[in-house]
Amino acid sequence: QKEVEQNSGPLSVPEGAIASLNCTYSDRGSQSFFWYRQYSGKSPELIMFIYSNGDKEDGRFTAQLNKASQYVSLLIRDSQPSDSATYLCAVNLYSSASKIIFGSGTRLSIRP
Amino acid sequence: GAVVSQHPSRVICKSGTSVKIECRSLDFQATTMFWYRQFPKQSLMLMATSNEGSKATYEQGVEKDKFLINHASLTLSTLTVTSAHPEDSSFYICSASRASGAYEQYFGPGTRLTVT
Repeated sequence: QKEVEQNSGPLSVPEGAIASLNCTYSDRGSQSFFWYRQYSGKSPELIMFIYSNGDKEDGRFTAQLNKASQYVSLLIRDSQPSDSATYLCAVNLYSSASKIIFGSGTRLSIRP
Repeated sequence: GAVVSQHPSRVICKSGTSVKIECRSLDFQATTMFWYRQFPKQSLMLMATSNEGSKATYEQGVEKDKFLINHASLTLSTLTVTSAHPEDSSFYICSASRASGAYEQYFGPGTRLTVT
């Protein structure tokens, strides 16, 4: 089982709709969870991090964490074409707190 | 805040030569820096974790004698690819964590290395 799993996509969402990206992780002791956005040919950009169970909202983005289910998600409201990118879920390892493990990413495409 | 720079952004070198890539945290102190490699259409692969003033910790399968990492200050880490070969051609990205103990990493813009 991979430490961080994401559906590779592509996930196609109409402009203005809600895009929902999901991620599961295997290390039950993980405490920190991150969502990065990566445009083609560019490096990842941190867009959200969440440490506690529940929801965390920042503008059009909402991160949701459920530690019991080992599940973290990212919702993007009012999707824009500029949101088209690969979204990487990342989780820190309990055994090595400074290191974070990345999922393989979900490619999101917002269609006009 | 949390800006990380990398230099150079692109480099082309001949097989057998060495290339040095610099990673700098511009507006914060980074006790830990990370080096990743990313091949086309693949995810990030962590190569090594670097703490200021100590030896880097390499991931399994990454040759420490080939990929030399130096983290001499709280704002600078360097990666030297020694005796580069075409299979080393890749996108090399560094990241840095703040000294405050938070775990989020901020990425540099990356360096595209092409070995001919």
